[in-house]
Order: sequence, then C-alpha cells, then structure tokens
Amino acid sequence: QQQVKQSPQSLIVQKGGISIINCAYENTAFDYFPWYQQFPGKGPALLIAIRPDVSEKKEGRFTISFNKSAKQFSLHIMDSQPGDSATYFCAARGTGNQFYFGTGTSLTVIP
Amino acid sequence: DVKVTQSSRYLVKRTGEKVFLECVQDMDHENMFWYRQDPGLGLRLIYFSYDVKMKEKGDIPEGYSVSREKKERFSLILESASTNQTSMYLCASSFGSRHTEAFFGQGTRLTVV
Repeated sequence: QQQVKQSPQSLIVQKGGISIINCAYENTAFDYFPWYQQFPGKGPALLIAIRPDVSEKKEGRFTISFNKSAKQFSLHIMDSQPGDSATYFCAARGTGNQFYFGTGTSLTVIP
Repeated sequence: DVKVTQSSRYLVKRTGEKVFLECVQDMDHENMFWYRQDPGLGLRLIYFSYDVKMKEKGDIPEGYSVSREKKERFSLILESASTNQTSMYLCASSFGSRHTEAFFGQGTRLTVV
C-alpha cells in the first residue's frame, strides 16, 4: 500500500499565488522528509527537506510545514511563478534507508 | 556535480524480449536504486543495492532482476518483457548509510509492444 499519501494530484495556481501540497504518513519510524521537483524530461531533484524535530523549514519561496502528531507535512510555494510548473513528490526515509515517495502533484502556474 | 547517466532515453521492445537498462554514476556512491514512475502511482522502488554484488528487493521486484558488478554501475533486467512493464524507469544513487539525498538520472521511457 502507499506509505506516503499525497494530495492533490494536480494543482493550477495563478502567478503570484500560494501553492500548497499535502502529504500524510503512518509509519512513525520515518525520520527524514524531503520534497523532490521534477521537470518534464528530467529526473526528480531534491528541492527542500525537513527532519521531524522541526516544525517548519523555509528556503526562499519554499516552506515545509511539519506536524509530527498528525503525521502530516506540506509544501508551500509562495509567490508561485510559471517556472515552478513541475511535478512535486513528497517522500519519507525509512529505517531500511529507502525513500518512500508520494504519488506526485502536477503543478501548473498560469501567468 | 553528481551525474547519474542512464544508457537510453527511449526504448521500444517486444513482448518476451530480455531487456537491459543500464545506469552509471560518477560520484562513488554506495547506494543505487531503480524506480519505475507511472501516472497516479508516483515512484515505486523495484530494487536497490548498498554495495557491489549486493541487492535488495523493493516494493515491486516481480519480473525484474538487477546486477551490480562494479560500484558505479547498476543494471536493471527485465527477464521477459511484458506490456505491463511499459513505464518510465528512473535510476538513482546516494551516499552514506543514512543518506539524505538521492540523485536521479534522466529516466528511460520503455515501451513494450
């Protein structure tokens, strides 16, 4: 079954708006939560990541919010730009050193 | 910069053929992974390897095998290709026992007809 649940599957946002993608997990052994960004024709690349002892991490326009008790985390993209149009994957690292990925969110930012 | 190179961008094979997907990384990473990417299903782990000649099954290993004879090279083998193995295949590598970043190749779009 899907270890990390991600929503929405697709998202359309106006330029300058806020994009929000949500993920949830059940396994409390997960200890590291990265987000990957994938442009068409490319492999995913690490965007930003957070450890579960921190509730928020911000890098430029990208922020991860982490709620350990609810076992949820989300990616917020402030001032969304057309260049942010991509597929975003949340992930979680398990004890076996594997990353479990969400199903992906296709983000389109319209000018 | 880390470079993970997959041998083919696009591949078309016939049902029943044995298919080899090759992946090479240039950063001396211990860990290497093979994922398949399908719409609505995300990235699913097929096999991974923490060292030369060692392999571990991921979530969907059926119909696949792997080979890692050298540290920099990790091959995915489809023993007898079937149409339900039509997919995007992604190779990744990472460093260390508690790695924090996986570096991906550009992917191989495999079509089985």
